[in-house]
Amino acid sequence: GENVEQHPSTLSVQEGDSAVIKCTYSDSASNYFPWYKQELGKRPQLIIDIRSNVGEKKDQRIAVTLNKTAKHFSLHITETQPEDSAVYFCAASKVVVDMRFGAGTRLTVKP
Amino acid sequence: KAGVTQTPRYLIKTRGQQVTLSCSPISGHRSVSWYQQTPGQGLQFLFEYFSETQRNKGNFPGRFSGRQFSNSRSEMNVSTLELGDSALYLCASSFSTGGNEQFFGPGTRLTVL
Repeated sequence: GENVEQHPSTLSVQEGDSAVIKCTYSDSASNYFPWYKQELGKRPQLIIDIRSNVGEKKDQRIAVTLNKTAKHFSLHITETQPEDSAVYFCAASKVVVDMRFGAGTRLTVKP
Repeated sequence: KAGVTQTPRYLIKTRGQQVTLSCSPISGHRSVSWYQQTPGQGLQFLFEYFSETQRNKGNFPGRFSGRQFSNSRSEMNVSTLELGDSALYLCASSFSTGGNEQFFGPGTRLTVL
């Protein structure tokens, strides 16, 4: 089955800096790659997703890039703010098969 | 429309007991997935149901089981509880199986004493 690896497990940045979280997946048939943000004590919420027919997607300060050949995708957060502090999960999925999540990255943005 | 709901929100059980958790998906969603979340372990996939059929199962022992009803509501059951089963159990619903955004419920916090 699909295996998703996520790095780093923890990331600390200064407010205003950029943060990058990387994930690799094993199943070349995976075609849907979402990123979820989970704040302390809350449920995971989708922040951005990308499908395999697209190489990059942006939404304000957040962007995701996908390299299908290398089977990796990354989350980029620019101009980080303290409210970006949370645990971020990447995931990979394909039609019919379940969604598999990475282990998560705890992002801390220091004011 | 209403989001994903889970009941109960908190549970305390003792070793050896069994527990049933319930998940009501967003109206119109037919896929329900269950995850176990423990500190440092991320989201571990338990199983996914679509149209009352289990489509996929994660790497959990047979003590963990589930089912889905015709109205797409889903239940998961854990028998013979162990201390290590203490976790946040999250369900997520999506319109169809695989390749779609999942919407998470608030979770059920299970504590096994």
